[in-house]
Amino acid sequence: KNEVEQSPQNLTAQEGEFITINCSYSVGISALHWLQQHPGGGIVSLFMLSSGKKKHGRLIATINIQEKHSSLHITASHPRDSAVYICAVSRSNTDKLIFGTGTRLQVFP
Amino acid sequence: DVKVTQSSRYLVKRTGEKVFLECVQDMDHENMFWYRQDPGLGLRLIYFSYDVKMKEKGDIPEGYSVSREKKERFSLILESASTNQTSMYLCASSFGQGVRNTEAFFGQGTRLTVV
Repeated sequence: KNEVEQSPQNLTAQEGEFITINCSYSVGISALHWLQQHPGGGIVSLFMLSSGKKKHGRLIATINIQEKHSSLHITASHPRDSAVYICAVSRSNTDKLIFGTGTRLQVFP
Repeated sequence: DVKVTQSSRYLVKRTGEKVFLECVQDMDHENMFWYRQDPGLGLRLIYFSYDVKMKEKGDIPEGYSVSREKKERFSLILESASTNQTSMYLCASSFGQGVRNTEAFFGQGTRLTVV
């Protein structure tokens, strides 16, 4: 079993829909990261959080440390949000990341 | 903005060749990482370095070596390329210096095909 699990693996949505991507982890962490990867490969960091909730534009990330669970929400989705979203965790006392396998999101107009 | 630059976007090499993948970052970061990304497996850590000339094996170091002679540059070396090393390779850097939970910055990736 992977230490970081994401669901769903694939997600399609119509423009304007509210989207949720989930991440569960089974190890002790110091922080959780949400990353975005567009076709072509480059990865961009969206959020890094260790508690509570963060918001940036239409993106919201939450984490529940007790439940070992995080969600990434996209409000009013747009075709340019189409990408692979990756959850990663920093293990306690290390800067190394453990990655989930990603969620491929396609938003259609 | 932090920039992490990988020397090639696409590479095609022959089995048995020695392959060098170069990564340069411009923000004086101490930590640098090499990952490979394969469908269904996500990103896996090959090697990382937390200072010049310092390196540590990641989860899948076999068949690879690294070099960090200067702080800004971290090179991944495939000693004798094999077809099972066909993959997307991603370099990343983060602040380090004992500061935990810092953001990671990624390069654009190198898609390597070994034939």
